[in-house]
Amino acid sequence: LAKTTQPISMDSYEGQEVNITCSHNNIATNDYITWYQQFPSQGPRFIIQGYKTKVTNEVASLFIPADRKSSTLSLPRVSLSDTAVYYCLVGGFKAAGNKLTFGGGTRVLVKP
Amino acid sequence: NAGVTQTPKFQVLKTGQSMTLQCAQDMNHNSMYWYRQDPGMGLRLIYYSASEGTTDKGEVPNGYNVSRLNKREFSLRLESAAPSQTSVYFCASSDRQGTLNLKLFFGSGTQLSVL
Repeated sequence: LAKTTQPISMDSYEGQEVNITCSHNNIATNDYITWYQQFPSQGPRFIIQGYKTKVTNEVASLFIPADRKSSTLSLPRVSLSDTAVYYCLVGGFKAAGNKLTFGGGTRVLVKP
Repeated sequence: NAGVTQTPKFQVLKTGQSMTLQCAQDMNHNSMYWYRQDPGMGLRLIYYSASEGTTDKGEVPNGYNVSRLNKREFSLRLESAAPSQTSVYFCASSDRQGTLNLKLFFGSGTQLSVL
């Protein structure tokens, strides 16, 4: 599976937009890009998933350039409750044995 | 809808003791996973089960065994606990149909301390 690289941490302020970029240079043709959010003492929670271009839902947007070697999770107008760790996960719909592995994640701190 | 249920939520063991972590999902998912998360770290895959009747090793399988009892249940066993196995353990499930293969649903975790 494609290895991912994300910034370790990011700080922001309430009301700002937060953009987290994930690098996945070895992404394969069948791979999808998925982002998860994890609060302390909880399991990760699915945020958004995409294959190419742009995907938007009620929580976030995901931007994927044409070469798909990176992706950017965009959180609009963050609030204090968006303080969490965000994980980028890359793997295929038919990933070998469904061996889905997480990287280190990006710790986002939203300040008042 | 309960989703993924893990028991127990907390457990303290002495070195050398054994125990089984239980996980059950009610979403009729084919695939199930066990992850561990050490303090301040990301999740590491211990074992996974792509479908009922199959199990495979993940990144850190040493010291663990698993059983996919049926489609709903996937248990993780520590035969002889070691302090290095102190961690939070998460069970997850996913469905392989369509793009949902990567949409993992996680349980609330089991915090395990081995003294």
